[in-house]
Amino acid sequence: GENVEQHPSTLSVQEGDSAVIKCTYSDSASNYFPWYKQELGKGPQLIIDIRSNVGEKKDQRIAVTLNKTAKHFSLHITETQPEDSAVYFCACFTTGHGYGNKLVFGAGTILRVKS
Amino acid sequence: DTEVTQTPKHLVMGMTNKKSLKCEQHMGHRAMYWYKQKAKKPPELMFVYSYEKLSINESVPSRFSPECPNSSLLNLHLHALQPEDSALYLCASSQGRVENEQFFGPGTRLTVL
Repeated sequence: GENVEQHPSTLSVQEGDSAVIKCTYSDSASNYFPWYKQELGKGPQLIIDIRSNVGEKKDQRIAVTLNKTAKHFSLHITETQPEDSAVYFCACFTTGHGYGNKLVFGAGTILRVKS
Repeated sequence: DTEVTQTPKHLVMGMTNKKSLKCEQHMGHRAMYWYKQKAKKPPELMFVYSYEKLSINESVPSRFSPECPNSSLLNLHLHALQPEDSALYLCASSQGRVENEQFFGPGTRLTVL
């Protein structure tokens, strides 16, 4: 089955700096890659996603890049703010089942933005 | 309405109790999911319903019993749970079964004594 590795496990940055989180995956058939932000006591919230026919996608301070050849994708947050502090999960969509999409998650990155 | 709601927010139960978790969405989504999340871990898929039919069961113990009464509702019936089942139980929904973004609810924090 699909295996997703996520690094780093924790990341501390100064407010205003950039943060980068990287994920690698094993299943070359994976073709949908969302990123989720989870704040304490809340469910994961989709913040950006990318499909395999696109190499980069940007939404204000957040961007995701995808390298299908190398099977890795990254989340980039610029001008970080204290409210960006949370746990971030990458995920891959895998078609290992007949019905229903299945997301396989990375282990998560705890991002701390120091003001 | 673009949210998934879950009740209750918190639940404490004994190992002999029977309880149910509830999930509701009004986005017209036809796929709904139950996930289990332990502290400092990613969500783990338990069940998938597609068009109100159970399509994926990730080898979950029978003490967890899902039910999808209609396209907007998803229940998870709990019976004879173990303390190691204590976790955050998340419900999610998506428009369909293929490559669509999943919207998560806030979760039910379950503690089994």
